[in-house]
Amino acid sequence: AQKITQTQPGMFVQEKEAVTLDCTYDTSDQSYGLFWYKQPSSGEMIFLIYQGSYDEQNATEGRYSLNFQKARKSANLVISASQLGDSAMYFCAMRGTGTASKLTFGTGTRLQVTL
Amino acid sequence: EPEVTQTPSHQVTQMGQEVILRCVPISNHLYFYWYRQILGQKVEFLVSFYNNEISEKSEIFDDQFSVERPDGSNFTLKIRSTKLEDSAMYFCASSEGLGRPKNIQYFGAGTRLSVL
Repeated sequence: AQKITQTQPGMFVQEKEAVTLDCTYDTSDQSYGLFWYKQPSSGEMIFLIYQGSYDEQNATEGRYSLNFQKARKSANLVISASQLGDSAMYFCAMRGTGTASKLTFGTGTRLQVTL
Repeated sequence: EPEVTQTPSHQVTQMGQEVILRCVPISNHLYFYWYRQILGQKVEFLVSFYNNEISEKSEIFDDQFSVERPDGSNFTLKIRSTKLEDSAMYFCASSEGLGRPKNIQYFGAGTRLSVL
């Protein structure tokens, strides 16, 4: 079984500052993938970034980067130069080794970007 | 940019009625999924579908639920006799394949189901 833990129910960050959203995971699979999704107040789920368990480099996508520490089983999302539009719910998710690779989600972190 | 399309965006139904939620996955994708999110809670997996059959389903996906790919483009979730606790946002997702980067699941905007 896979488990995702997000311990920060809410976070505040000032505009233009960087923020780190925490995610730890637990799995017995050797091969797995870690994802971050953004859910604005409108409700849709927007894919942000992906990290494979065998990737040697941390993933980056524009202002998003994933700080992957395999030994610690953590996959923290770093958002640089925060913008007001980054205010949303952020979910960490995991895909294990399986026929159709379902995603297991954490409980999410609500990020509020302030002026 | 291709996207997953879900209709309707909001469905209101009476308890005990049947509902069908519709999804058009991204055209070259082969794997399809339904998830649900009860208000304020995390997203939960319901079912995955590949090659015209269910690949995996969760405990939530009981006999009241069914999925179908009636043609080459649509993917539907049917709830036969809705209960109050079925009220949730239902997300459809699709992915191109299993190997990276094809395993990225792209989500639709969701259908909010309200059971009265």
